[in-house]
Amino acid sequence: KQEVTQIPAALSVPEGENLVLNCSFTDSAIYNLQWFRQDPGKGLTSLLLIQSSQREQTSGRLNASLDKSSGRSTLYIAASQPGDSATYLCAVRPFAAGNKLTFGGGTRVLVKP
Amino acid sequence: NAGVTQTPKFRILKIGQSMTLQCTQDMNHNYMYWYRQDPGMGLKLIYYSVGAGITDKGEVPNGYNVSRSTTEDFPLRLELAAPSQTSVYFCASSTGSLEAFFGQGTRLTVV
Repeated sequence: KQEVTQIPAALSVPEGENLVLNCSFTDSAIYNLQWFRQDPGKGLTSLLLIQSSQREQTSGRLNASLDKSSGRSTLYIAASQPGDSATYLCAVRPFAAGNKLTFGGGTRVLVKP
Repeated sequence: NAGVTQTPKFRILKIGQSMTLQCTQDMNHNYMYWYRQDPGMGLKLIYYSVGAGITDKGEVPNGYNVSRSTTEDFPLRLELAAPSQTSVYFCASSTGSLEAFFGQGTRLTVV
């Protein structure tokens, strides 16, 4: 059974510092991995999707890497801003039937001005 | 672009009552999913569907039912509401191995 873990559960950094968020998964047989942002009381916003054949994906200040063999993905957010404060969730899509996304527990980020 | 639309946004139910959470998508996606998110936790899969007429159980299906009569709609039914079903419910859709899109959620409280 695929398990996804995000450590730490919470993170606090001063504004301007780079953020490094970790995601690990137990089964490397995946189609892709997706990073989401969730603001309090809101839905999930897709940030980046990395296909299993890719090593990284970039969008603006965000960069996500994928190492399938070691079961790890890292989301980097450069030059953090208070507006980056949110919960970040990673999810993997395994080869198993239904292409179901399996989520980690999320990392709650606070960027202090 | 509507994307994935969920209704209602909020609901309070009494124990034993029933209700249907509505989900519709306008992207012609085959795959649709229902998740629940408890406070401070990740998302757990309740049910999913790979196409019209086909549904299957996820991690936590007890107390719920679904149907998928059209590509667009994937309603979630709670038959006898229990306090343990207090949660935020998210519907999502995708074309399979590509990006998943989520609705804004339904916040349900059972009292």
